[in-house]
Amino acid sequence: AQKITQTQPGMFVQEKEAVTLDCTYDTSDPSYGLFWYKQPSSGEMIFLIYQGSYDQQNATEGRYSLNFQKARKSANLVISASQLGDSAMYFCAMREGSYTGGFKTIFGAGTRLFVKA
Amino acid sequence: NAGVTQTPKFQVLKTGQSMTLQCAQDMNHEYMSWYRQDPGMGLRLIHYSVGAGITDQGEVPNGYNVSRSTTEDFPLRLLSAAPSQTSVYFCASRNRHTEAFFGQGTRLTVV
Repeated sequence: AQKITQTQPGMFVQEKEAVTLDCTYDTSDPSYGLFWYKQPSSGEMIFLIYQGSYDQQNATEGRYSLNFQKARKSANLVISASQLGDSAMYFCAMREGSYTGGFKTIFGAGTRLFVKA
Repeated sequence: NAGVTQTPKFQVLKTGQSMTLQCAQDMNHEYMSWYRQDPGMGLRLIHYSVGAGITDQGEVPNGYNVSRSTTEDFPLRLLSAAPSQTSVYFCASRNRHTEAFFGQGTRLTVV
């Protein structure tokens, strides 16, 4: 069965520093996608970045990058130059392909990031 | 430019009551899903659909029913509400290879 694990319930980072949020996953499907979402205190879900299982290069979107290590089944989010507005809950998610017949997307438990001034 | 619309935003139910959470999307997305979010547990998948007329169970389907008669709508039915169903419910839609777009959420309290 597919599974997403985020082992850091909470993280602190100093403003302007980089931070890495961990995510490991488990799937038997060779085709899958990995996502990161941000949920600020207002509650909406904001898409940040996507990595496909066949992508050769790590995904980047502005200050966000995804450190994809396929053999280790990890998909860590790196936020560079943290800003106070980055304080939020962050969720890692995985979408499987057709091999396991699901196409469903499941989420990890989340990491709450606190950015200190 | 509505995206994914959920109604209602807030609801209080008594134990045993039934209700339907509405979800509609105007992006012609194939896939739609319902999640519940409880503190410390992230988003858990309740039911999902890969197209009109096709639904399947997620991680926590018990106590919930869904149907997908049109591409646009994916209602979630609570047949007999229980306090354990107190949660924030999110509807999401996407196409096969895109990210999910989420509604604003429905905060449900069962007393």
